[in-house]
Amino acid sequence: ELKVEQNPLFLSMQEGKNYTIYCNYSTTSDRLYWYRQDPGKSLESLFVLLSNGAVKQEGRLMASLDTKARLSTLHITAAVHDLSATYFCAVDYVQGGSEKLVFGKGTKLTVNP
Amino acid sequence: KAGVTQTPRYLIKTRGQQVTLSCSPISGHRSVSWYQQTPGQGLQFLFEYFSETQRNKGNFPGRFSGRQFSNSRSEMNVSTLELGDSALYLCASRRGEKDGYTFGSGTRLTVV
Repeated sequence: ELKVEQNPLFLSMQEGKNYTIYCNYSTTSDRLYWYRQDPGKSLESLFVLLSNGAVKQEGRLMASLDTKARLSTLHITAAVHDLSATYFCAVDYVQGGSEKLVFGKGTKLTVNP
Repeated sequence: KAGVTQTPRYLIKTRGQQVTLSCSPISGHRSVSWYQQTPGQGLQFLFEYFSETQRNKGNFPGRFSGRQFSNSRSEMNVSTLELGDSALYLCASRRGEKDGYTFGSGTRLTVV
Protein backbone atom coordinates (compact mmCIF):
# COMPACT_ATOMS: atom_id res chain seq x y z
CA GLU A 1 0.00 0.00 0.00
CA LEU A 2 1.29 3.43 -0.87
CA LYS A 3 2.35 5.65 2.02
CA VAL A 4 2.80 9.39 1.70
CA GLU A 5 4.79 11.30 4.27
CA GLN A 6 4.93 15.05 4.55
CA ASN A 7 7.28 17.04 6.69
CA PRO A 8 7.18 19.13 8.59
CA LEU A 9 3.62 18.74 9.84
CA PHE A 10 3.70 22.17 11.43
CA LEU A 11 5.62 25.15 10.16
CA SER A 12 5.73 28.59 11.71
CA MET A 13 7.67 31.13 9.75
CA GLN A 14 8.19 34.83 9.50
CA GLU A 15 7.08 36.92 6.61
CA GLY A 16 9.80 37.31 4.05
CA LYS A 17 11.50 34.00 4.79
CA ASN A 18 11.90 30.99 2.52
CA TYR A 19 11.07 27.41 3.37
CA THR A 20 10.47 24.02 1.78
CA ILE A 21 7.85 21.37 2.50
CA TYR A 22 8.78 17.80 1.60
CA CYS A 23 6.57 14.98 0.38
CA ASN A 24 7.97 11.45 0.21
CA TYR A 25 6.05 8.48 -1.09
CA SER A 26 6.74 4.78 -0.92
CA THR A 27 5.62 3.32 -4.25
CA THR A 28 6.24 4.29 -7.85
CA SER A 29 3.90 6.95 -9.16
CA ASP A 30 4.34 9.60 -11.79
CA ARG A 31 1.51 11.89 -10.76
CA LEU A 32 1.50 14.10 -7.73
CA TYR A 33 -0.74 16.94 -6.64
CA TRP A 34 -0.43 19.79 -4.19
CA TYR A 35 -3.52 21.24 -2.55
CA ARG A 36 -4.17 24.11 -0.18
CA GLN A 37 -6.88 24.02 2.47
CA ASP A 38 -8.04 26.97 4.54
CA PRO A 39 -9.80 26.27 7.86
CA GLY A 40 -13.26 24.86 7.31
CA LYS A 41 -12.86 24.97 3.55
CA SER A 42 -12.34 22.50 0.76
CA LEU A 43 -9.16 21.64 -1.14
CA GLU A 44 -7.87 24.13 -3.65
CA SER A 45 -5.67 22.70 -6.39
CA LEU A 46 -2.23 24.32 -6.53
CA PHE A 47 -0.11 22.11 -8.77
CA VAL A 48 -0.42 18.99 -10.87
CA LEU A 49 2.95 17.32 -11.49
CA LEU A 50 2.79 14.67 -14.17
CA SER A 51 6.33 13.63 -14.93
CA ASN A 52 9.79 13.24 -13.53
CA GLY A 53 11.57 16.57 -13.28
CA ALA A 54 8.36 18.57 -13.51
CA VAL A 55 8.64 22.02 -11.98
CA LYS A 56 5.75 24.44 -11.68
CA GLN A 57 5.59 27.90 -10.17
CA GLU A 58 2.72 30.13 -9.18
CA GLY A 59 3.49 33.33 -7.34
CA ARG A 60 5.57 32.59 -4.25
CA LEU A 61 5.09 28.82 -4.53
CA MET A 62 7.14 26.42 -6.59
CA ALA A 63 6.64 22.66 -6.75
CA SER A 64 8.90 19.98 -8.16
CA LEU A 65 8.76 16.23 -8.64
CA ASP A 66 11.54 13.65 -8.64
CA THR A 67 9.91 10.30 -9.39
CA LYS A 68 13.14 8.38 -9.01
CA ALA A 69 13.67 9.66 -5.49
CA ARG A 70 9.88 9.50 -4.88
CA LEU A 71 10.06 13.05 -3.59
CA SER A 72 8.20 16.26 -4.25
CA THR A 73 8.96 19.64 -2.74
CA LEU A 74 6.86 22.74 -2.30
CA HIS A 75 9.10 25.77 -1.92
CA ILE A 76 7.82 28.98 -0.43
CA THR A 77 9.64 32.15 -1.33
CA ALA A 78 9.38 35.35 0.75
CA ALA A 79 6.35 34.14 2.66
CA VAL A 80 3.40 36.43 3.29
CA HIS A 81 0.57 36.09 5.80
CA ASP A 82 -1.92 35.11 3.08
CA LEU A 83 -0.05 31.86 2.56
CA SER A 84 -1.10 30.65 6.00
CA ALA A 85 -3.07 27.43 5.38
CA THR A 86 -2.65 23.67 5.42
CA TYR A 87 -0.88 22.20 2.41
CA PHE A 88 -1.41 18.62 1.29
CA CYS A 89 0.44 16.53 -1.22
CA ALA A 90 -1.44 13.64 -2.83
CA VAL A 91 -0.10 10.83 -4.96
CA ASP A 92 -1.99 8.90 -7.61
CA TYR A 93 -1.97 5.25 -6.60
CA VAL A 94 -2.75 2.85 -9.40
CA GLN A 95 -3.30 -0.78 -8.51
CA GLY A 96 -5.05 -3.49 -10.44
CA GLY A 97 -6.57 -1.09 -12.91
CA SER A 98 -8.08 1.13 -10.23
CA GLU A 99 -6.84 4.47 -9.07
CA LYS A 100 -7.11 6.70 -6.02
CA LEU A 101 -5.38 9.62 -4.38
CA VAL A 102 -3.36 8.94 -1.26
CA PHE A 103 -2.82 12.06 0.80
CA GLY A 104 -0.10 13.10 3.18
CA LYS A 105 -1.15 14.30 6.63
CA GLY A 106 -0.72 17.91 5.61
CA THR A 107 1.59 20.73 6.66
CA LYS A 108 -0.03 23.48 8.67
CA LEU A 109 1.77 26.67 7.72
CA THR A 110 1.54 29.80 9.83
CA VAL A 111 3.20 32.93 8.52
CA ASN A 112 3.79 35.52 11.22
CA PRO A 113 4.23 39.23 10.57
CA LYS B 1 -17.70 27.63 -15.27
CA ALA B 2 -19.52 25.88 -12.45
CA GLY B 3 -17.38 23.86 -10.08
CA VAL B 4 -18.12 20.68 -8.21
CA THR B 5 -21.31 21.17 -6.19
CA GLN B 6 -21.98 19.29 -3.00
CA THR B 7 -25.20 19.37 -1.03
CA PRO B 8 -26.00 19.85 1.71
CA ARG B 9 -23.12 21.88 3.15
CA TYR B 10 -23.89 20.95 6.73
CA LEU B 11 -25.79 18.08 8.26
CA ILE B 12 -26.51 16.98 11.82
CA LYS B 13 -27.76 13.45 12.33
CA THR B 14 -28.37 11.14 15.25
CA ARG B 15 -26.60 7.84 15.78
CA GLY B 16 -28.33 5.02 13.98
CA GLN B 17 -29.84 7.20 11.31
CA GLN B 18 -28.81 7.15 7.68
CA VAL B 19 -27.70 10.00 5.47
CA THR B 20 -27.38 10.70 1.75
CA LEU B 21 -24.93 13.22 0.36
CA SER B 22 -24.99 14.54 -3.18
CA CYS B 23 -22.29 15.62 -5.60
CA SER B 24 -22.69 17.22 -9.01
CA PRO B 25 -19.42 17.18 -10.95
CA ILE B 26 -18.17 19.76 -13.38
CA SER B 27 -19.97 19.48 -16.69
CA GLY B 28 -18.21 16.96 -18.88
CA HIS B 29 -16.44 15.24 -15.99
CA ARG B 30 -17.35 11.57 -15.87
CA SER B 31 -15.29 10.50 -12.86
CA VAL B 32 -16.45 11.24 -9.31
CA SER B 33 -14.49 10.31 -6.20
CA TRP B 34 -15.40 10.63 -2.54
CA TYR B 35 -13.06 11.27 0.37
CA GLN B 36 -13.55 11.47 4.11
CA GLN B 37 -11.54 13.98 6.14
CA THR B 38 -11.20 13.71 9.90
CA PRO B 39 -8.66 15.25 12.28
CA GLY B 40 -7.41 11.84 13.32
CA GLN B 41 -7.25 9.92 10.06
CA GLY B 42 -6.76 12.75 7.60
CA LEU B 43 -8.04 12.40 4.06
CA GLN B 44 -9.11 8.90 3.14
CA PHE B 45 -10.45 7.55 -0.12
CA LEU B 46 -13.99 6.18 -0.05
CA PHE B 47 -14.83 5.27 -3.65
CA GLU B 48 -14.66 6.32 -7.27
CA TYR B 49 -17.32 6.13 -9.95
CA PHE B 50 -16.90 6.40 -13.69
CA SER B 51 -19.75 6.15 -16.14
CA GLU B 52 -22.09 4.81 -13.44
CA THR B 53 -19.69 2.05 -12.41
CA GLN B 54 -17.82 1.83 -9.15
CA ARG B 55 -14.19 1.44 -10.14
CA ASN B 56 -12.52 1.47 -6.77
CA LYS B 57 -13.50 1.29 -3.13
CA GLY B 58 -11.53 2.27 -0.07
CA ASN B 59 -11.23 0.46 3.20
CA PHE B 60 -14.56 1.45 4.73
CA PRO B 61 -17.33 -0.74 6.11
CA GLY B 62 -20.30 -1.73 4.00
CA ARG B 63 -22.38 0.98 5.70
CA PHE B 64 -20.77 3.34 3.23
CA SER B 65 -22.14 3.05 -0.27
CA GLY B 66 -22.57 5.18 -3.33
CA ARG B 67 -23.83 5.37 -6.83
CA GLN B 68 -23.54 7.45 -9.93
CA PHE B 69 -26.31 8.44 -12.29
CA SER B 70 -26.29 8.75 -16.06
CA ASN B 71 -25.74 12.52 -15.78
CA SER B 72 -22.58 11.80 -13.71
CA ARG B 73 -24.12 13.12 -10.50
CA SER B 74 -23.18 10.94 -7.56
CA GLU B 75 -24.68 10.17 -4.20
CA MET B 76 -23.06 8.71 -1.14
CA ASN B 77 -25.06 6.96 1.54
CA VAL B 78 -24.05 6.09 5.08
CA SER B 79 -26.37 3.86 7.04
CA THR B 80 -26.53 3.22 10.79
CA LEU B 81 -24.49 6.30 11.56
CA GLU B 82 -21.84 6.19 14.27
CA LEU B 83 -20.22 9.07 16.13
CA GLY B 84 -16.98 8.33 14.29
CA ASP B 85 -18.63 9.09 10.97
CA SER B 86 -18.55 12.77 11.85
CA ALA B 87 -16.31 14.25 9.19
CA LEU B 88 -15.98 16.50 6.21
CA TYR B 89 -16.96 14.52 3.11
CA LEU B 90 -15.36 15.76 -0.05
CA CYS B 91 -16.29 14.94 -3.60
CA ALA B 92 -13.89 15.36 -6.51
CA SER B 93 -14.40 15.13 -10.23
CA ARG B 94 -12.15 14.90 -13.23
CA ARG B 95 -12.67 14.64 -16.97
CA GLY B 96 -10.60 11.55 -17.51
CA GLU B 97 -7.74 9.48 -16.21
CA LYS B 98 -5.07 11.92 -17.38
CA ASP B 99 -6.67 14.94 -15.75
CA GLY B 100 -6.38 16.48 -12.29
CA TYR B 101 -9.07 16.38 -9.64
CA THR B 102 -11.28 19.32 -8.67
CA PHE B 103 -12.82 19.17 -5.23
CA GLY B 104 -16.19 20.44 -4.10
CA SER B 105 -16.81 22.52 -0.98
CA GLY B 106 -17.65 19.44 1.03
CA THR B 107 -20.44 18.33 3.32
CA ARG B 108 -19.73 18.57 7.01
CA LEU B 109 -21.56 15.76 8.76
CA THR B 110 -21.96 15.79 12.52
CA VAL B 111 -23.34 12.69 14.23
CA VAL B 112 -24.69 13.23 17.74
